[in-house]
Amino acid sequence: DGGITQSPKYLFRKEGQNVTLSCEQNLNHDAMYWYRQDPGQGLRLIYYSQIVNDFQKGDIAEGYSVSREKKESFPLTVTSAQKNPTAFYLCASSTRTGTGRTEAFFGQGTRLTVV
Amino acid sequence: AQSVTQLDSHVSVSEGTPVLLRCNYSSSYSPSLFWYVQHPNKGLQLLLKYTSAATLVKGINGFEAEFKKSETSFHLTKPSAHMSDAAEYFCVVSEPNYGGSQGNLIFGKGTKLSVKP
Repeated sequence: DGGITQSPKYLFRKEGQNVTLSCEQNLNHDAMYWYRQDPGQGLRLIYYSQIVNDFQKGDIAEGYSVSREKKESFPLTVTSAQKNPTAFYLCASSTRTGTGRTEAFFGQGTRLTVV
Repeated sequence: AQSVTQLDSHVSVSEGTPVLLRCNYSSSYSPSLFWYVQHPNKGLQLLLKYTSAATLVKGINGFEAEFKKSETSFHLTKPSAHMSDAAEYFCVVSEPNYGGSQGNLIFGKGTKLSVKP
């Protein structure tokens, strides 16, 4: 089945550690996104990538890094510079529809907790 | 610039009564509009989408939405709420892809729907 897979589902990190969240898609989508979700704040864009080997910062990129070496994969690293990393992280991918507009597909999310 | 406003952060209805979740948008172009649903600790699932075809869009689970350009609205409705509809709902706008680039997705802040028995 085609889809977008995030792993792990739950992740615990000690303060000062870097952690990497995985996102893989087999939908052949060009664009991929990372969002952070906090209670009452909706989804905020961290990074997005439109093509391989290219990515742009979103609204809250500080303390995060990404890579896009393969079309299928868009891992997110939460660095020690991120002061409040505890959140629910969602990965998405998108494609053009018949009229040229994007429709996004989402992974099931990773809940990161700093202990 | 694109923006999305979901007018209610929380809506509570009784089972069997109609649901109305309101969404207004602003866009410089003719946008695509989407409604997504999110159950607790889950990803987002597409409910329905508007992409410049019919203005009344039917989605999954009995939901529908009407695109009203004059009111810049895309409200989500369902005639009769079910307990399983309790979730958070997001209205999303995306502008057309010009010049080969993929448009960004702009999310509303979400509306939490509670359904009372």
